[in-house]
Amino acid sequence: GQQVMQIPQYQHVQEGEDFTTYCNSSTTLSNIQWYKQRPGGHPVFLIQLVKSGEVKKQKRLTFQFGEAKKNSSLHITATQTTDVGTYFCPRSSGNTPLVFGKGTRLSVIA
Amino acid sequence: NAGVMQNPRHLVRRRGQEARLRCSPMKGHSHVYWYRQLPEEGLKFMVYLQKENIIDESGMPKERFSAEFPKEGPSILRIQQVVRGDSAAYFCASSQGQTGYTFGSGTRLTVV
Repeated sequence: GQQVMQIPQYQHVQEGEDFTTYCNSSTTLSNIQWYKQRPGGHPVFLIQLVKSGEVKKQKRLTFQFGEAKKNSSLHITATQTTDVGTYFCPRSSGNTPLVFGKGTRLSVIA
Repeated sequence: NAGVMQNPRHLVRRRGQEARLRCSPMKGHSHVYWYRQLPEEGLKFMVYLQKENIIDESGMPKERFSAEFPKEGPSILRIQQVVRGDSAAYFCASSQGQTGYTFGSGTRLTVV
């Protein structure tokens, strides 16, 4: 089945630095979703990308879906302490439930 | 428009007792999913339900665990004869079709 790898597993940045997390799949994805979970909180849906080469922005967050629909990235510009949390790009396949990996845990040092 | 409602938020059970976790999906959502999360770990899929049907229970242990989503009322995740290893955060999510999931705040189960 599809395997989606997410890197890095951990990232520590100084406040104000940029941050990027990557998801790579061994097979073509029909779509990709991104979620954020704050420490002690619950996962929150951020966005879904469907089209090849798609780029979407949410304030300081930029989401990209690769041309081959096998990879995706989330880039945060000028991180803030409110960006702290774990970012997930779960594996999705048709109507089957999302499969979450360990995500990328972001720490922001003020 | 309330989101996904889970209760209780915190639940403490002694070993051997039963735990019942409830989840009311978002209005208009007919798909319900249960996930378990251990500290410092990702979310592990347990079961996927639609009204009165279990669609996929491949992630749920065969013994002691059961789930339902009746025609009326919330979805219930039931854990019988709890053991310490069941201590975790249990999240419920709902969706309509292949849209993004909306998660509840979770139930933190502690088995003492």
